[in-house]
Amino acid sequence: KQEVTQIPAALSVPEGENLVLNCSFTDSAIYNLQWFRQDPGKGLTSLLLIQSSQREQTSGRLNASLDKSSGRSTLYIAASQPGDSATYLCAVLSGSARQLTFGSGTQLTVLP
Amino acid sequence: NAGVTQTPKFRVLKTGQSMTLLCAQDMNHEYMYWYRQDPGMGLRLIHYSVGEGTTAKGEVPDGYNVSRLKKQNFLLGLESAAPSQTSVYFCASHFAGANVLTFGAGSRLTVL
Repeated sequence: KQEVTQIPAALSVPEGENLVLNCSFTDSAIYNLQWFRQDPGKGLTSLLLIQSSQREQTSGRLNASLDKSSGRSTLYIAASQPGDSATYLCAVLSGSARQLTFGSGTQLTVLP
Repeated sequence: NAGVTQTPKFRVLKTGQSMTLLCAQDMNHEYMYWYRQDPGMGLRLIHYSVGEGTTAKGEVPDGYNVSRLKKQNFLLGLESAAPSQTSVYFCASHFAGANVLTFGAGSRLTVL
């Protein structure tokens, strides 16, 4: 059974700092990995999707990397802003049923 | 506006009552999902559908039923609500062959 872990559960940084969020998964046989953002009381918004054959994806100040063999992904946020404050979740698509397994998220607070 | 709409947004039930959550999408997506999100845990898949008239069980299906009579709607039913079903429920959808999900804003259910 696929398990996805995100550490730390919460992170607080000053504005302008570069930061890295971590995601690990137990079964490396994945189709893809996605990073989502969730604002309080809202649904999830997809940020980046990395196919299993890719090593990284970039969108603006966000860069996500994937090391499938070691079961790890990182989300790099450059020059963080208070508007980046949210919970970030990673999810992997795997298994014969092609189901998404979510991590429990990292709650990020960027202090002005 | 195109997207995924969930109704109701909030509901309080007494143990043993029944209710139905409605998910409607206007993007002509084939795949639809129901997840629950509990504190400190990632989203867990309850049921999903790969097309009109089809449904399948996810990770935590017990106590729930679903129906997909129309392509645009995916209903989640609780026949006899239990306090353990207190949670935030999210619906999501995507095109077949595409893995980027569009999420609804969530439905917060409290069972007393």
